[in-house]
Amino acid sequence: RKEVEQDPGPFNVPEGATVAFNCTYSNSASQSFFWYRQDCRKEPKLLMSVYSSGNEDGRFTAQLNRASQYISLLIRDSKLSDSATYLCVVNTGNQFYFGTGTSLTVIP
Amino acid sequence: GAGVSQSPRYKVAKRGQDVALRCDPISGHVSLFWYQQALGQGPEFLTYFQNEAQLDKSGLPSDRFFAERPEGSVSTLKIQRTQQEDSAVYLCASSLVAGATNEKLLFGSGTQLSVL
Repeated sequence: RKEVEQDPGPFNVPEGATVAFNCTYSNSASQSFFWYRQDCRKEPKLLMSVYSSGNEDGRFTAQLNRASQYISLLIRDSKLSDSATYLCVVNTGNQFYFGTGTSLTVIP
Repeated sequence: GAGVSQSPRYKVAKRGQDVALRCDPISGHVSLFWYQQALGQGPEFLTYFQNEAQLDKSGLPSDRFFAERPEGSVSTLKIQRTQQEDSAVYLCASSLVAGATNEKLLFGSGTQLSVL
């Protein structure tokens, strides 16, 4: 079983739509959680950390459910520039584990 | 430097050739990670250094893979007798604080290795 599971998509949504990505992790002792964004042929870049209380950064909202070992990312009012792969990342204290990524294409 | 620097950006190797990939982390960053990313997949962990100590090499796929960070800064990932299945992007990441719960990874641009 993989440490981090994500639906690979692809998600194709129109501009202005709201889209949600989910991710589950297997290690209940995991310590910290992140969403990274990766553009085609580029390196992953930190989008936001994920906290148990939920956190918001503009159009992006991340939530963590420790009981269900589940992480989510909500993107509101999608822009063309949001098109990318979104990687769910879990830190167990020793290693960072990455999901396979969810591909998002925002269509004009 | 301002960011994590990796070289070369692209490397083409003939099967059986040895290659060396370099990572220059952000100055002062304690932790350094190497990842392998195949097309359409997420990064897969290879190995982790805290300063010069290699604390985890459990992700190295075979004994053909070897990594070092002798002075706790620049790291080199060496692949001996390359095989076609080694073709991937090799990503290096560093972070400031070792083992903290808010530790975040900053990535270099990666080295795209193609083995013919």
